[in-house]
Amino acid sequence: DTEVTQTPKHLVMGMTNKKSLKCEQHMGHRAMYWYKQKAKKPPELMFVYSYEKLSINESVPSRFSPECPNSSLLNLHLHALQPEDSALYLCASSQEARTDTQYFGPGTRLTVL
Amino acid sequence: AQSVSQHNHHVILSEAASLELGCNYSYGGTVNLFWYVQYPGQHLQLLLKYFSGDPLVKGIKGFEAEFIKSKFSFNLRKPSVQWSDTAEYFCAPPAGGSYIPTFGRGTSLIVHP
Repeated sequence: DTEVTQTPKHLVMGMTNKKSLKCEQHMGHRAMYWYKQKAKKPPELMFVYSYEKLSINESVPSRFSPECPNSSLLNLHLHALQPEDSALYLCASSQEARTDTQYFGPGTRLTVL
Repeated sequence: AQSVSQHNHHVILSEAASLELGCNYSYGGTVNLFWYVQYPGQHLQLLLKYFSGDPLVKGIKGFEAEFIKSKFSFNLRKPSVQWSDTAEYFCAPPAGGSYIPTFGRGTSLIVHP
């Protein structure tokens, strides 16, 4: 099984809402990632978890809050987002960080009204 | 930070034409590099990767890439493209660790039948 699953596929939220994106993998990978991808742009790395330890990209606003409940699950909690946060949010995993192939999920298409 | 640059942003070819997409990296030490592809409406997926050893790397669907250390390059090639190769192509270093890498800007390839 080389699949990374993400839910929901689509999400529309207002600027005052709180929502969460979920990601799951069952490949035994120890590194998981959140990316943001705008249309016609490359993915931008937001957060990395390696052995359930977080590496933070300092340019990510605090309205995005990641959580790694265990090595198979990754959440991204969203609060007080702005319309410019509308994008495709991709989850990925790899056996190890820094060296290995990443396996990407299909993404969650987020629209902030 | 590990980063890569791609210089061909939009490429339009006819079927059976040869393809070469440029990727240059700007970091030292151990160099691992990946080419990922994003077909319309599909997940990002690995095309091929270089870790060490033979600098000529073969990937899926007839793609190959050559790692040239003296030129800091890892260019992607295919001798004869097909309409189904229409996609976005991204060059990338590994993700994770104590630094935040950046995907290349990406190349949008359109192949006309």
